Amino acid sequence: EPEVTQTPSHQVTQMGQEVILRCVPISNHLYFYWYRQILGQKVEFLVSFYNNEISEKSEIFDDQFSVERPDGSNFTLKIRSTKLEDSAMYFCASSDQGGVGSPLHFGNGTRLTVT
Amino acid sequence: AQKITQTQPGMFVQEKEAVTLDCTYDTSDPSYGLFWYKQPSSGEMIFLIYQGSYDQQNATEGRYSLNFQKARKSANLVISASQLGDSAMYFCAMREGDTSGTYKYIFGTGTRLKVLA
Repeated sequence: EPEVTQTPSHQVTQMGQEVILRCVPISNHLYFYWYRQILGQKVEFLVSFYNNEISEKSEIFDDQFSVERPDGSNFTLKIRSTKLEDSAMYFCASSDQGGVGSPLHFGNGTRLTVT
Repeated sequence: AQKITQTQPGMFVQEKEAVTLDCTYDTSDPSYGLFWYKQPSSGEMIFLIYQGSYDQQNATEGRYSLNFQKARKSANLVISASQLGDSAMYFCAMREGDTSGTYKYIFGTGTRLKVLA
């Protein structure tokens, strides 16, 4: 069964550094998302991406964050100048048609630790 | 504005018993989808079951069923014949239709289920 792949599984970085989290969505999916989860709690929406542009972003997704689809397969989340409170599990997800009946398929997540 | 509420932070159930995890939602969009996800201690998010707002029947997937009560805006997950492997965090989620102008899926705060041997 096709799956969403995220790398790395765990990233440790120092405060103020930049990190790039990588994702390969399911190949025939058209809608891509990033979510984060702090300490196993609420799953928070960050951004959605369709047709090579951001379709929606949350208030969390400020100028510190950016997303990119550099080629036909990868989808990346860049966090500039990381802060301690950016420590979280970051999930990439994709859906096929983007309609209300399309479930999100999640990757296994990247655990980001900012020290 | 869309909203998902899960009022049970934690639940216990005896192995082989059935358990119901509650989820209520709020939306003004007539078209929406409701989803349940399982998150084991290993951390991945596993899609379990989907219910559409126009579906006449409750969704079922193996031991999972969704008790959909549209008038009450509730979409409770029922797990029958609980197994030890069902111990996990369970999230209810909703995706509104395109008339809402949003494409995001919102999640409840989750219910941690512990199955007892």
